[in-house]
Amino acid sequence: GAVVSQHPSWVICKSGTSVKIECRSLDFQATTMFWYRQFPKQSLMLMATSNEGSKATYEQGVEKDKFLINHASLTLSTLTVTSAHPEDSSFYICSARDLGRVNQPQHFGDGTRLSIL
Amino acid sequence: AQTVTQSQPEMSVQEAETVTLSCTYDTSESDYYLFWYKQPPSRQMILVIRQEAYKQQNATENRFSVNFQKAAKSFSLKISDSQLGDAAMYFCAYRSENFGNEKLTFGTGTRLTIIP
Repeated sequence: GAVVSQHPSWVICKSGTSVKIECRSLDFQATTMFWYRQFPKQSLMLMATSNEGSKATYEQGVEKDKFLINHASLTLSTLTVTSAHPEDSSFYICSARDLGRVNQPQHFGDGTRLSIL
Repeated sequence: AQTVTQSQPEMSVQEAETVTLSCTYDTSESDYYLFWYKQPPSRQMILVIRQEAYKQQNATENRFSVNFQKAAKSFSLKISDSQLGDAAMYFCAYRSENFGNEKLTFGTGTRLTIIP
């Protein structure tokens, strides 16, 4: 079945570092991917919608200069957390849907645990 | 904007018994999808069951079934013959059927504990 791969699964880095997270659709093309953020014991909150070949659409309150999204191909979207600080520590998870198949649900990556020291 | 509400932060059930998790939502759309996702400690999001709003018949997947009440905007999940592996966070989610607006809106989740 369709699979979404997310890398890395866990990142620990110093404050001020920029961190890139990759989301790949392995056996289907995804013109749209979604990036969510989940704080401990909370729900998933949509950060932005990544659109292949165009600018991402950010949810209200999400800093686009802080969370850079690039969707350069039909199978890859990247989220870069720029100049990360401890408050950016969270679980980030992407999802994508195979638009070539009708009524298919979204598939999620396994998530990235980001810890900023 | 759509909202999804899960009013039970925590639930527990004896192994082999049945438990029902509640979910209500608010939308002005007539066509949409509803989902239940399971998130175990590994934090992987696992699709449990889905329901298309235009279908009157309640979806079932083995031990999992839903009670979809469109007029009441209610979408509960029933887990029969509960197993230890069912322990997880369960999220109810809404998705519009409108092309170009396929983001998922999640509820706050219900933590399900299975008592051996």
